[in-house]
Amino acid sequence: AQSVTQPDIHITVSEGASLELRCNYSYGATPYLFWYVQSPGQGLQLLLKYFSGDTLVQGIKGFEAEFKRSQSSFNLRKPSVHWSDAAEYFCAVGGYPYNDKIIFGKGTRLHILP
Amino acid sequence: DAGVIQSPRHEVTEMGQEVTLRCKPISGHNSLFWYRQTMMRGLELLIYFNNNVPIDDSGMPEDRFSAKMPNASFSTLKIQPSEPRDSAVYFCASRVSGTDNEQFFGPGTRLTVL
Repeated sequence: AQSVTQPDIHITVSEGASLELRCNYSYGATPYLFWYVQSPGQGLQLLLKYFSGDTLVQGIKGFEAEFKRSQSSFNLRKPSVHWSDAAEYFCAVGGYPYNDKIIFGKGTRLHILP
Repeated sequence: DAGVIQSPRHEVTEMGQEVTLRCKPISGHNSLFWYRQTMMRGLELLIYFNNNVPIDDSGMPEDRFSAKMPNASFSTLKIQPSEPRDSAVYFCASRVSGTDNEQFFGPGTRLTVL
């Protein structure tokens, strides 16, 4: 069955520190992988996506993610966080080819210390 | 582009009342999704449409929930009768079917059933 696991419900980091948010997926075929961000009171915005090719993908706002097939992981990273990065982050998986449904993880809420 | 438009942004109603949530997808998008977000269950797909046709409604929790898409630019999600456990944020998303799976989300409707 398709599933996405984000093991950390909350993460707190200091402003300027590096960040890694974990995501593991279970999918029986070639996955499409996504990271979305949700700011308080807002809808979800796409940060980045992976379909094929280079396993390190760059996204908006200085985020990147690395696809590791052997570990079924797609972790999100940022070298230096800003206070404005405080939000909830969702990993999601969809199927190839062009499966309409994508499955979201439960989310990781990021808190930033000044 | 105005993005996905949802109305109302907030809805407070009493148990037993009918609630109708509205969504206008991005022009040119032919897939539309309704999600429900709660603290306990995270982001759940309720139903999605391709070319105005419901494709998968397996996420609709009960017969009290119904969704329609009478044309390419409008969809409704109706709850009748509403119950307190329906309190949640309801998101609408749209995308172009047959391409990569990026979905564009609306700002959501926060529903409170008293």
